Amino acid sequence: DTGVSQNPRHKITKRGQNVTFRCDPISEHNRLYWYRQTLGQGPEFLTYFQNEAQLEKSRLLSDRFSAERPKGSFSTLEIQRTEQGDSAMYLCASTRLALQETQYFGPGTRLLVL
Amino acid sequence: DAKTTQPPSMDCAEGRAANLPCNHSTISGNEYVYWYRQIHSQGPQYIIHGLKNNETNEMASLIITEDRKSSTLILPHATLRDTAVYYCIVRGPSYSGAGSYQLTFGKGTKLSVIP
Repeated sequence: DTGVSQNPRHKITKRGQNVTFRCDPISEHNRLYWYRQTLGQGPEFLTYFQNEAQLEKSRLLSDRFSAERPKGSFSTLEIQRTEQGDSAMYLCASTRLALQETQYFGPGTRLLVL
Repeated sequence: DAKTTQPPSMDCAEGRAANLPCNHSTISGNEYVYWYRQIHSQGPQYIIHGLKNNETNEMASLIITEDRKSSTLILPHATLRDTAVYYCIVRGPSYSGAGSYQLTFGKGTKLSVIP
């Protein structure tokens, strides 16, 4: 396994701009999760894909957020019209569907909205 | 998922065993105990998980009490690189097509390994 990768690792943007993050899961992992982590808190669930289908969204995922996973491989998370409150670490995790599934996290993308 | 309670911080001398407690008194019979850690500015790293029996791998040991209401993560010989926030998470098993199984993180225990 080459591990979960995320790009970019850091992003600084101005309020009102759109940003897009990419996550490449571990090969053949069919489940992919997105989490958000603010300073001093543990990660919070945003959304999840099984293959290409987005099966669940958290109430944290406002309508400015959209996620895709075309062809069930990499995933993108887009934030439109960013706000300062969107500043956080955005984490991606992948796993293979199993009774005792273990999620493996990427290094995260740290977003700062000015 | 059941909630967990962990001390906010702990210190451990380098080379000594670090014992990190977790209380999960409302755990259900089919829920697993998972441990992750997060070193500063990195993504969470999986450590170990278990259901009823004690578990050991190359990183740590997990001791679960017989009533399953609490557990302890043991790092046998702590090093400075083990300084991190450790999260104890309780989660049910995954069933195909039965919804997501996101991890619900608390604030964890900040472990400081001291030289």
